[in-house]
Amino acid sequence: EIVLTQSPGTLSLSPGERATLSCRASQSISSSYLAWYQQKPGQAPRLLIYGASSRATGIPDRFSGSGSGTDFTLTISRLEPEDFAVYYCQQYGSSPPFTFGPGTKVDIK
Amino acid sequence: EVQLVESGGGLVQPGGSLRLSCAASGFTFSTYAMNWVRQAPGKGLEWVSTISTGGYGTYYADSVKGRFTISRDNPKNTVYLHMNSLRAEDTAVYYCAPKYYFDSWGQGTLVTVSS
Repeated sequence: EIVLTQSPGTLSLSPGERATLSCRASQSISSSYLAWYQQKPGQAPRLLIYGASSRATGIPDRFSGSGSGTDFTLTISRLEPEDFAVYYCQQYGSSPPFTFGPGTKVDIK
Repeated sequence: EVQLVESGGGLVQPGGSLRLSCAASGFTFSTYAMNWVRQAPGKGLEWVSTISTGGYGTYYADSVKGRFTISRDNPKNTVYLHMNSLRAEDTAVYYCAPKYYFDSWGQGTLVTVSS
């Protein structure tokens, strides 16, 4: 089973700042099958990025994903007030289990 | 528009059983794998189970293997999660989602296991 580690656990930033979130896998993820989700309190998660770098439908271009192998990054270029949330990475390479990382909380400084 | 409507959650005693349902619309249900994902109160997301398009391939997290069974009815566009021998640690909101990366989510259904 691939274990995902996210860092930092909490990121305290101000609106307008750049956010860089990391997701590291315990082994290489095939074909960059790595997704990122945003979740706000009381809501279901929302897909942001799939295939490590492809934005999902309707996702603003301030969100970008990069990386391959075992190291992946989600970048939010300029934080908007609605971006303060918890972010999860998930791997879906080869076959299940499709594990999630523990999450990074982005909160207002 | 993709819609996923989960139902069947509720309060159940430890050791009890529940069957969750997820009614899907807005996409060709029979051509996508389906999944269940859960989230315990105040915790992160946990993948629970996946079923292949035809229902012949099923996969489970170690935490539910042997207790939960996923199934699907393609003509009814519905996926199910049969949960037996429920434990307190199964308390969570349960979501269904299509594909292998989850681009659509329902509102979830809350399962509470407590005496």
